[in-house]
Amino acid sequence: EVELVESAGGLAQPGGSLRLSCAVSGFSFSSFWMTWVRQAPGKGLEWVAEIKHDGSEKYYVDSVKGRFTISRDNAENSLDLQMSSLRAEDTAVYYCARRSHNWSFDLWGRGTLVTVSS
Amino acid sequence: DIQMTQSPSSLSASVGDRVTITCRASQGIGTNLDWIQQKPGKAPNSLIYAASTLQSGVPSRFSGSGSGTDFTLTISSLQPEDSATYYCQQRNARPLTFGGGTKVEIK
Repeated sequence: EVELVESAGGLAQPGGSLRLSCAVSGFSFSSFWMTWVRQAPGKGLEWVAEIKHDGSEKYYVDSVKGRFTISRDNAENSLDLQMSSLRAEDTAVYYCARRSHNWSFDLWGRGTLVTVSS
Repeated sequence: DIQMTQSPSSLSASVGDRVTITCRASQGIGTNLDWIQQKPGKAPNSLIYAASTLQSGVPSRFSGSGSGTDFTLTISSLQPEDSATYYCQQRNARPLTFGGGTKVEIK
């Protein structure tokens, strides 16, 4: 079955760190760009970061640059998002998503909630 | 950054109605525009890519049009299962950006 499954998020303190993972199955992971998109409670969607199929290019929204790092392990079919210096405004459901060959987000995980609070 | 503005922010319509949602980009993006549906409590789901091409499995009552700065999503005959929030999203330039969403409710 083709699917993306995010690891459990959880609660982090402001200034703390958290690592999210996305397990991929059912397709050739190494052939696709992958993305993290987040959604704050009751708000819209926000693109966070993305990574080229071979990991050679990475892009971030300005608000997370220098704090978040996207990475992938094509041998393990896994996408990660290392989040540090967390802020209250990082509280959101985080989705991993696949960018199809037509560049749309054609496959999404179910999302995982990250809460940043003291 | 390219700003995406959707209107209306919400609408209520009856089953069988024709529904139109508009999306405007702050600068020209060609046809690098996708539409995404999100049902309450669920993950987003891609409906249309490249402004007008339906993703596989999407009902034909959905259609998209436009290029440059102005785009439209149309549901030709609204169905109960179409109750959701719809987002436009530009992929012409990073950062990729989304519209604020249009919540569609069934009367």
